[in-house]
Amino acid sequence: DIVMTQSPDSLAVSLGERATINCKSSQSVLYSSNNKNYLAWYQQKPGQPPKLLIYWASTRESGVPDRFSGSGSGTDFTLTLSSLQAEDVAVYYCQQYFGTPHTFGQGTKLEIK
Amino acid sequence: QLQLRESGPGLVKPSETLSLTCTVSGGSISSSSYYWGWIRQPPGKGLEWIATTSYSGNTYYNPSLKSRVTISVDTSMNQFSLKLDSVTAADTAVYYCARHRGNYYDGLDQWGQGTLVTVSS
Repeated sequence: DIVMTQSPDSLAVSLGERATINCKSSQSVLYSSNNKNYLAWYQQKPGQPPKLLIYWASTRESGVPDRFSGSGSGTDFTLTLSSLQAEDVAVYYCQQYFGTPHTFGQGTKLEIK
Repeated sequence: QLQLRESGPGLVKPSETLSLTCTVSGGSISSSSYYWGWIRQPPGKGLEWIATTSYSGNTYYNPSLKSRVTISVDTSMNQFSLKLDSVTAADTAVYYCARHRGNYYDGLDQWGQGTLVTVSS
């Protein structure tokens, strides 16, 4: 299995400040034939299902605010929130869909400082 | 717009079979553009992908669960289903159905609200 490891486990950021969440995969999720990274980011608020934010490591899902951005390639990825808003408080998960089974990181809890 | 809704018993006894159905509305499950999956989340814990199917019956399973899991699709009812055999307390979780953005090798862009299944006698 491809193991996805997120850091930190929890993060407290002031409103309006930048938040950065990292995700590392135990093997590359970059498919050389199409140069795509098979990596997604999700946001989950309490009592709700996960919401897709980013796919192909850096493509923002329709309707997702542009303060959310994804970067990275191969085994190291980052989700950045450029200016934290109150509604961004949630748990964030990365997921690889390169290998079977598809696996998720353990989650990063983002709170307001 | 597309909606997914999970249904099934909220309580299952140990050693029995967990059966859930996902009803898709606002779109056809028979579209070749999408694959459909099940994911679970134990209370207070992270996400685990279980299985995925296409409308034509191409299936993919998590190897850790494969011996106990069956995913199937009923295009006439616009539904897909999950069966998990020989459940234990470790199978207690919120079970979500979801749609892949494209084929199996793609993210999950539409999710049901989830249904809590408790395994207990």
